[in-house]
Amino acid sequence: EVVLTQSPGTLSLSPGERATLSCRASQSVGSTYLAWYQQRHGQAPRLLIYATSRRTTGIPDRFSGSGSGRDFTLTISRLEPEDFAVYYCQVYDTSPFLTFGGGTKVEIK
Amino acid sequence: QVQLQESGPGLAKPSQTLSLTCTVSGGSISSGTFYWSWIRQHPGKGLEWIGYIYYSGDTYYNPSLKSRLTISVDTSKNQFSLRLNSVTAADTAVYFCATGSPYAFDIWGQGTMVTVSS
Repeated sequence: EVVLTQSPGTLSLSPGERATLSCRASQSVGSTYLAWYQQRHGQAPRLLIYATSRRTTGIPDRFSGSGSGRDFTLTISRLEPEDFAVYYCQVYDTSPFLTFGGGTKVEIK
Repeated sequence: QVQLQESGPGLAKPSQTLSLTCTVSGGSISSGTFYWSWIRQHPGKGLEWIGYIYYSGDTYYNPSLKSRLTISVDTSKNQFSLRLNSVTAADTAVYFCATGSPYAFDIWGQGTMVTVSS
């Protein structure tokens, strides 16, 4: 089972700032299999990025994903008020088995 | 545009069976494009994949839940369902149905809260 560790747990930033969220896997992950979700309070998660760097239809280009091997990053270039939320990375492993990271909360500073 | 809606009791008693249904609208569950999944979120916690089913009936379960879990599909009703046996308080969570590729889920239901309590 692949374990995903997200850091930091909480990121305190101001609107307009850049957010960099980290997701580290316990073992190497294929780039096809890494996704990022946004969850606003009281809502279902929303898929932002799949296959490490591909934005889902309708996701603004201020969201970008990168990484390979064990280390992956979600970057929000300029935070908008609606971007303050919790972000989860997720990996598909063989078996199949899907795992989510513990989440990073992006809060208003 | 495919949409999902969970339904089922919001309360289950310990040791009993939790049953939820996800109704698919705007598309056919038999299309062969999607994997139909259940995911849960314990109060104030992160997300846990429960399992998914392909329209053919092939199922894939989280090993930690496999012994208590059944996911099934009813193509005639365009629904898929979850049954979790022998529930405890640890099964109290918001349960989401979702769909997408085997690797990621781009369509989610709104979620339904299930509390396990006597």
